[in-house]
Amino acid sequence: GESVGLHLPTLSVQEGDNSIINCAYSNSASDYFIWYKQESGKGPQFIIDIRSNMDKRQGQRVTVLLNKTVKHLSLQIAATQPGDSAVYFCAENTGNTDKLIFGTGTRLQVFP
Amino acid sequence: EAGVVQSPRYKIIEKKQPVAFWCNPISGHNTLYWYLQNLGQGPELLIRYENEEAVDDSQLPKDRFSAERLKGVDSTLKIQPAELGDSAVYLCASSSDSYEQYFGPGTRLTVT
Repeated sequence: GESVGLHLPTLSVQEGDNSIINCAYSNSASDYFIWYKQESGKGPQFIIDIRSNMDKRQGQRVTVLLNKTVKHLSLQIAATQPGDSAVYFCAENTGNTDKLIFGTGTRLQVFP
Repeated sequence: EAGVVQSPRYKIIEKKQPVAFWCNPISGHNTLYWYLQNLGQGPELLIRYENEEAVDDSQLPKDRFSAERLKGVDSTLKIQPAELGDSAVYLCASSSDSYEQYFGPGTRLTVT
């Protein structure tokens, strides 16, 4: 069946360094991907999205890369800050519905 | 703009008791979702509404779970009777015509 997975459950980085969070997806028909950030006690918060007709999209301090050949998605955070500490989820959408399938999540820990 | 509102934020009940969660989506958002999130996992869709119609309830355990969105605005999710395994965070999300879903803070349910 469909699945979205993350390579690392926990990522620890030093403040100011760049972070890279990876995600693998299995359904080649997925055409829309979203990264969410979830802080403790809060709901997931939209960070950035990308459609399958793109391979890169940039936001403020964040970049999402999509490699459809190997079905891989990554989130890059530049100059990681303590406020970036959270669990990050990738999610995929297949077809014309707005049903999202979420991965397990990666916890990002930022050290001073 | 107010976000998705959920209540209560926390609920502790004994097994076999009923429980209900309430969600008020962002004004103007026609699509409403209920998700279940277990610790360390991504959200899993329980039910999706388009206005007052449940268009995807395939993952809703209908023997004990029910949901309604009578006027196409706010929604309630009910569990009766609750089981120990129902302990989780119940998230509500809403969206307009785009794929981007906005999440509420969730209700943390503990069944003892």
